[in-house]
Amino acid sequence: NAGVMQNPRHLVRRRGQEARLRCSPMKGHSHVYWYRQLPEEGLKFMVYLQKENIIDESGMPKERFSAEFPKEGPSILRIQQVVRGDSAAYFCASSPPAGAQYFGPGTRLTVL
Amino acid sequence: AQSVAQPEDQVNVAEGNPLTVKCTYSVSGNPYLFWYVQYPNRGLQFLLKYITGDNLVKGSYGFEAEFNKSQTSFHLKKPSALVSDSALYFCAVRDKGGADGLTFGKGTHLIIQP
Repeated sequence: NAGVMQNPRHLVRRRGQEARLRCSPMKGHSHVYWYRQLPEEGLKFMVYLQKENIIDESGMPKERFSAEFPKEGPSILRIQQVVRGDSAAYFCASSPPAGAQYFGPGTRLTVL
Repeated sequence: AQSVAQPEDQVNVAEGNPLTVKCTYSVSGNPYLFWYVQYPNRGLQFLLKYITGDNLVKGSYGFEAEFNKSQTSFHLKKPSALVSDSALYFCAVRDKGGADGLTFGKGTHLIIQP
């Protein structure tokens, strides 16, 4: 049973470009979460999704960031017009209903 | 609002000795509590969770944690440390009646000295 998959593992973008981060949850998991980790800090919750629905986006920046979890395919975290402050590790986690969250290996975004 | 405090940035323990990594939490309702471990340039690995029931929770790799409601603590413990336990440990909390996103502490670097 494959774990949570994220790709790419490393992503380099120039300021103003778009970044797309993908997450495939564990088989049987219907809940997806995105977190951001800045250097030397803990993870900060961004958004919680179920299939085709955003359940909680209280941690998402109001502008430039969006997330989706379509009926088919992976969850996507999209960052438009990236800035240097967006450089971080972005982790996806998945869980069954009311279960523990299992994390992917993360995508390390570097904005030049 | 919920919060987690890990008061120690770093804990140093000699191999073979018992270890404790401290965590205290604050939630408005009843908590779900979790411990995760992160190795360099890796994602978080789930160690254990407290949902309900026995206050002493056993998890992966010989780790355990004790839920103490009166002290709002959930310290991580292991009777005998291994060098391979050296990593970054995160405590996390979720309010049972609240949002599903986890709130993480800042992490504690555990260093096991041979």
